[in-house]
Amino acid sequence: NAGVTQTPKFRVLKTGQSMTLLCAQDMNHEYMYWYRQDPGMGLRLIHYSVGEGTTAKGEVPDGYNVSRLKKQNFLLGLESAAPSQTSVYFCASSYSAPGGKSPLHFGNGTRLTVT
Amino acid sequence: AQKVTQAQTEISVVEKEDVTLDCVYETRDTTYYLFWYKQPPSGELVFLIRRNSFDEQNEISGRYSWNFQKSTSSFNFTITASQVVDSAVYFCALSNGPRALIFGKGTTLSVSS
Repeated sequence: NAGVTQTPKFRVLKTGQSMTLLCAQDMNHEYMYWYRQDPGMGLRLIHYSVGEGTTAKGEVPDGYNVSRLKKQNFLLGLESAAPSQTSVYFCASSYSAPGGKSPLHFGNGTRLTVT
Repeated sequence: AQKVTQAQTEISVVEKEDVTLDCVYETRDTTYYLFWYKQPPSGELVFLIRRNSFDEQNEISGRYSWNFQKSTSSFNFTITASQVVDSAVYFCALSNGPRALIFGKGTTLSVSS
């Protein structure tokens, strides 16, 4: 099983450019999440989805959009990249809500640099 | 509000020393889950343990042990006889109802030989 797969692994953008990060999971999980990791800040939730066709805002949603058109995929978009969005982005999925028993299964991350 | 505090930013030990990573949490929920994740230098996040709020028994898994105390809102993680391979960033996390986990800022553990 591949688990949670993120593409691309690395990306460099110029300010104002747009891009989409793709997250795919093959575990039939209902819940999917996008986090960003910055030095000294831990992981902060950007957006999440509780099922196909649903999305919701997390702690730091500004500047990002998401879509969950298929259960197995969760896309994170940056419409106009800013240097403050330089970060490592992690996608995760879980069978049920983390308030239940399921731990999060993480992808390997995408390192994004905005110049 | 939900909050997780890992007051130790960095810890350095020599191999074979025991080390404890502290985690203090705040929540108004009566039912909640606590987690520990490990992030080795390769960057992936590895799930270590989950503990629910009704189970205060300590847990031991090999050289790892966890001490959950509701009275002090703490969920501390101890590595016995540390090894170089234990060098990583360790995150404590708290469930936030149906939404997602809230993570602490992490503790970087460096184990030297």
